[in-house]
Amino acid sequence: GAGVSQSPSNKVTEKGKDVELRCDPISGHTALYWYRQSLGQGLEFLIYFQGNSAPDKSGLPSDRFSAERTGGSVSTLTIQRTQQEDSAVYLCASSLSAGGRHGYTFGSGTRLTVV
Amino acid sequence: SQQGEEDPQALSIQEGENATMNCSYKTSINNLQWYRQNSGRGLVHLILIRSNEREKHSGRLRVTLDTSKKSSSLLITASRAADTASYFCATVSTGANSKLTFGKGITLSVRP
Repeated sequence: GAGVSQSPSNKVTEKGKDVELRCDPISGHTALYWYRQSLGQGLEFLIYFQGNSAPDKSGLPSDRFSAERTGGSVSTLTIQRTQQEDSAVYLCASSLSAGGRHGYTFGSGTRLTVV
Repeated sequence: SQQGEEDPQALSIQEGENATMNCSYKTSINNLQWYRQNSGRGLVHLILIRSNEREKHSGRLRVTLDTSKKSSSLLITASRAADTASYFCATVSTGANSKLTFGKGITLSVRP
């Protein structure tokens, strides 16, 4: 597609429920990244995928968080047993390649609210 | 962990004035990038400057990089109300498979 698409744009969930966030990157971009941003804060790196390589999961805050990327394209970020501190905007980005040599194109994000 | 630290945290100027935002970082980098964010949603890539470059221009944007001081500045000339946004610097550290590490951002308000 023309840009990075994320869905849903907003999600309200009850504490303890699982949620799935979806990211559809730009076609041809081999690198895909997930970040989250709490209110008024910078971006916190979560995980990134590059081609067929093993993902860099070093930013995932707990084992309740997981992500997969199917067929080198669409990615889903899953949060199990959501907690109130998981409330944030979850941003996905893609780039032509990993290593930060190219700028990232971000989606509009999913605003997650855990009540 | 955050690598870049922007300064000031907030900046308010009159339309037509220039806005200067600074960023400092801690480790050796491959490149440094500036992004703009409107309304707390998606970020837009503005400019990328590589570690062997000292200055780069794009339209009304001018970015400088001083690797000896581990700092960068973003200058927006002749600001417009539409430039009101949050601005983030992000760095890519040296080493394979590095990803962008963002600062906390600068809130710029341009008064009409």
